[in-house]
Amino acid sequence: QVQLVQSGAEVKKPGASVKVSCKASGYTFTSYYMHWVRQAPGQGLEWMGVINPSGDGTTYEQKFQGRITMTRDTSTSTVYMELSSLRSEDTAVYYCAALTPGQYYFDYWGQGTLVTVSS
Amino acid sequence: QSALTQPRSVSGSPGQSVTISCTGTSSDVGGYNYVSWYQQHPGKAPRLMIYDVSKRPSGVPDRFSGSKSGNTASLTISGLQAEDEADYYCCSYAGSYRRVFGGGTKVTVL
Repeated sequence: QVQLVQSGAEVKKPGASVKVSCKASGYTFTSYYMHWVRQAPGQGLEWMGVINPSGDGTTYEQKFQGRITMTRDTSTSTVYMELSSLRSEDTAVYYCAALTPGQYYFDYWGQGTLVTVSS
Repeated sequence: QSALTQPRSVSGSPGQSVTISCTGTSSDVGGYNYVSWYQQHPGKAPRLMIYDVSKRPSGVPDRFSGSKSGNTASLTISGLQAEDEADYYCCSYAGSYRRVFGGGTKVTVL
């Protein structure tokens, strides 16, 4: 069965960077596009971007351009999302979410990683 | 990309029906039949309830249904049950691999 297991909670100071991992199993890693979605406390879901694990192509939401980098390691079936120049508004739970090839919906989700930005 | 517009809350008694709207533009909801809906209970990851506007994944009760007209998609929960109390989010494909979510709707079972 498809499983997405994310790294643990992080506490960062303003201006720092955070790198969250998402390890996939139960399917061919390079076949499923991986998206990142975040949710600030008490707020809604926000789409951040997507990476194609087979070719490393990425598309980012415009508001994160210049601060976000998504990468993948095919040897460990892991994707990474790094967000830099952190500010308090980046405090959120970050989710990875995978799409079955050829589909347009998120059918598999990681458990979420809480990133807290605080001085 | 602006978030899709959803009502902040809806409520109903057990057994009643509630409908949640999700309004976008011709660049997202109106332009593609790729609207999905997610249920989220507190502290949990979202769960897919409807995809491609009106299709239900296996395991989702048939009291959940979806539709779309123009730039507005809708999720209807018929025969409301206590366990349906949760937050619901719509999501639309917006071209070039992009997605946009709605602001979320809290469903309360009275």
